Amino acid sequence: RKEVEQDPGPFNVPEGATVAFNCTYSNSASQSFFWYRQDCRKEPKLLMSVYSSGNEDGRFTAQLNRASQYISLLIRDSKLSDSATYLCGTTDSWGKLQFGAGTQVVVTP
Amino acid sequence: NAGVTQTPKFQVLKTGQSMTLQCAQDMNHEYMSWYRQDPGMGLRLIHYSVGAGITDQGEVPNGYNVSRSTTEDFPLRLLSAAPSQTSVYFCASSSPRGTEETQYFGPGTRLLVL
Repeated sequence: RKEVEQDPGPFNVPEGATVAFNCTYSNSASQSFFWYRQDCRKEPKLLMSVYSSGNEDGRFTAQLNRASQYISLLIRDSKLSDSATYLCGTTDSWGKLQFGAGTQVVVTP
Repeated sequence: NAGVTQTPKFQVLKTGQSMTLQCAQDMNHEYMSWYRQDPGMGLRLIHYSVGAGITDQGEVPNGYNVSRSTTEDFPLRLLSAAPSQTSVYFCASSSPRGTEETQYFGPGTRLLVL
């Protein structure tokens, strides 16, 4: 069983709609949590870190639920440019970062 | 700053050949790592290093060797290439040990083993 699991999707989202998806992790000692965005055939780039209190960056909101061991990402007012694969990652105390397989989001006109 | 650089961008190998994928960063990051990415599998950690002279295995280390003689460089060696090693390889770095810090990724090396 992978340490970090994600629904692969694709999530097909009309432009302007809201989409949300989760990521579960099995290591209760995980220290830090992240969402990365990856465009086709490109390297992953950090979208946002996920803090215990939840955090927002524009149209993106991330939440962490330590009790149930999952993180979530919500995208409001989806744009065509939001089409990508979203990877969640967790680190242990050494900073070893492990990823889920990614959730594909396709925003349609 | 160039960030994280990887060479080559593309490589075709025959089964049994060996090669080294190069990774360098100019951000003085302590932590560096190698991932491979295959369709449907996401990024899987091959090896990582928390500083010069220190390396450790990740999730899928078999068939790969690493060394970290300097802070800047973290090469990945394929000892005897196999078709199962066909993949896209990403190198990443961060500081301090990845906690609360962005991991910067290189542009990737696309490897095809025939």
